[in-house]
Amino acid sequence: AQSVTQPDIHITVSEGASLELRCNYSYGATPYLFWYVQSPGQGLQLLLKYFSGDTLVQGIKGFEAEFKRSQSSFNLRKPSVHWSDAAEYFCAILSDSNYQLIWGAGTKLIIKP
Amino acid sequence: EAQVTQNPRYLITVTGKKLTVTCSQNMNHEYMSWYRQDPGLGLRQIYYSMNVEVTDKGDVPEGYKVSRKEKRNFPLILESPSPNQTSLYFCASSLQILAGGPTGELFFGEGSRLTVL
Repeated sequence: AQSVTQPDIHITVSEGASLELRCNYSYGATPYLFWYVQSPGQGLQLLLKYFSGDTLVQGIKGFEAEFKRSQSSFNLRKPSVHWSDAAEYFCAILSDSNYQLIWGAGTKLIIKP
Repeated sequence: EAQVTQNPRYLITVTGKKLTVTCSQNMNHEYMSWYRQDPGLGLRQIYYSMNVEVTDKGDVPEGYKVSRKEKRNFPLILESPSPNQTSLYFCASSLQILAGGPTGELFFGEGSRLTVL
């Protein structure tokens, strides 16, 4: 069965530092992968998606993610975080059985001033 | 402005008192879905709808009902709420264009925080 794992429940980084949030998935074929962000008190917003093609995808708010088939990973990165990036980040994969999203548990990003 | 609108945003109710959380989208999306979000449990899908008059159970449908009589609306009904349904609820919508299913690119409402006493 397909699944998504976000190993880190919380991550704390200093403002201006680089960020990498980890996401691992289990799936045999090429997955459809997503990163969503949930700012405090808000709904989720799509940051970026990977369907096929270039394995480095660019998203909104200066985020990017790299699909690595050999590592079954789709890690989210940002070169320099801002205090406004404090939020919870969710990785998800599209199920090939019923076309619903399978969600990771989320990683809460805390920004130190 | 393209949006998914949920109402109410906050509600405190008592066990057994029927309630409906409304969800409306103005993007002409075919696919709509309800999720609940609980600390430590992440997002869990309650019901989804691929199109008008077509609904399916998600992972945690017990205690909930939905209907999809119009494309834009997808209300979530709690016939007899219980305290274990205290949660943050999200409605989401998506264009249905990927091999008969949603694209995975969901638009979310701002959430409805429900407390059942």
